[in-house]
Amino acid sequence: GAVVSQHPSWVICKSGTSVKIECRSLDFQATTMFWYRQFPKQSLMLMATSNEGSKATYEQGVEKDKFLINHASLTLSTLTVTSAHPEDSSFYICSARAGTDGNQPQHFGDGTRLSIL
Amino acid sequence: AQSVTQLGSHVSVSEGALVLLRCNYSSSVPPYLFWYVQYPNQGLQLLLKYTTGATLVKGINGFEAEFKKSETSFHLTKPSAHMSDAAEYFCAVRALSGGYNKLIFGAGTRLAVHP
Repeated sequence: GAVVSQHPSWVICKSGTSVKIECRSLDFQATTMFWYRQFPKQSLMLMATSNEGSKATYEQGVEKDKFLINHASLTLSTLTVTSAHPEDSSFYICSARAGTDGNQPQHFGDGTRLSIL
Repeated sequence: AQSVTQLGSHVSVSEGALVLLRCNYSSSVPPYLFWYVQYPNQGLQLLLKYTTGATLVKGINGFEAEFKKSETSFHLTKPSAHMSDAAEYFCAVRALSGGYNKLIFGAGTRLAVHP
């Protein structure tokens, strides 16, 4: 149980285009979803936290107009990287958590490797 | 504020040897602590977690960790390493920020297992 599916797993696109990454909880309702960014050989950096039906809460230093997060349902959140540039190339990972008290574990997707040419 | 420090970015052991990955935490409240494993080009998989109660926590794949409040540590161990254990391991602490519970990750330890 507790499977999180992230799509696509790998995307290559030209500079200036926008890229959408989907994160789905397949067998549970994800009250909260998290988006992380991971640079090579580094740890995960939290970008934003979103509750279903609410605006995302972005971490300090993360451009909310650059990284658009939508959490329209209890099973789907999307991250859109707008006008992507080579410096946006990274490994993006989502996680999802059920419940409302924050005590449930986070379940992670397999990540999306984004390469901007 | 909560934080975790993982001592040793790389650990190398022989197959069958003891695995010890170190994690120290800082927290102003009783901590919730986690160990995750990441295989190449994949997300994170929860190995084990400590919330309250028994300080020795057993997880998947033969791993266990002991919460030691006096040492502010939560080291991960496995008695006998397998080749399949080679991966990146992250220690994490739960933090409350902006009204949300979130995870703060350590820098990670890459475990290599040699035949």
